[in-house]
Amino acid sequence: GAVVSQHPSRVICKSGTSVKIECRSLDFQATTMFWYRQFPKKSLMLMATSNEGSKATYEQGVEKDKFLINHASLTLSTLTVTSAHPEDSSFYICSARDVVLAGSTDTQYFGPGTRLTVL
Amino acid sequence: AQSVTQLGSHVSVSEGALVLLRCNYSSSVPPYLFWYVQYPNQGLQLLLKYTSAATLVKGINGFEAEFKKSETSFHLTKPSAHMSDAAEYFCAVSDLPGGGYNKLIFGAGTRLAVHP
Repeated sequence: GAVVSQHPSRVICKSGTSVKIECRSLDFQATTMFWYRQFPKKSLMLMATSNEGSKATYEQGVEKDKFLINHASLTLSTLTVTSAHPEDSSFYICSARDVVLAGSTDTQYFGPGTRLTVL
Repeated sequence: AQSVTQLGSHVSVSEGALVLLRCNYSSSVPPYLFWYVQYPNQGLQLLLKYTSAATLVKGINGFEAEFKKSETSFHLTKPSAHMSDAAEYFCAVSDLPGGGYNKLIFGAGTRLAVHP
């Protein structure tokens, strides 16, 4: 089946530093990847849609300059949290849409998530 | 605009009992509907999906869901709960079925507890 990985799984950083999270589709190509944020005991909030080779589309209220997204290849998207602050601490989850199956199944496959803690 | 409402943020059942997790949707177009499960500190795993084929959809781990257009519902059921079913369950509707990229709209989630 379609597998999506994220790295790192957990990261702790100091306030003011930047953190990069990688999202990879391991056995399929993904022209579109999505980045979500999940607060404790809450649902997933879509942050942005990442399209290979083009600029990401951000949801309303999400700061583009703070959450930098790059989708350089069909199997890799990265989310960089710049100048992180404690309020950025959260569980970040990516998902990827299978190019081949997209037209028929319209299904997203999710990564295992990255727990970010900003001290 | 699409939206999803999950009735009941917490559901508790006995092991072996019927599991029923409720989901109602709102959509201006024929929807694609999904149920995902999330175990603690993990990502989401697809349980099942409805994509305008059969209205009764069977998924993994013995779960199934029935699409009822007249009731705008897509409730998730399992005849007999196992302890391992304890998790958070999310219902989602797809923003643009059949074309473009699908932006998933998630419900608030239902935490299922299974007790002996």
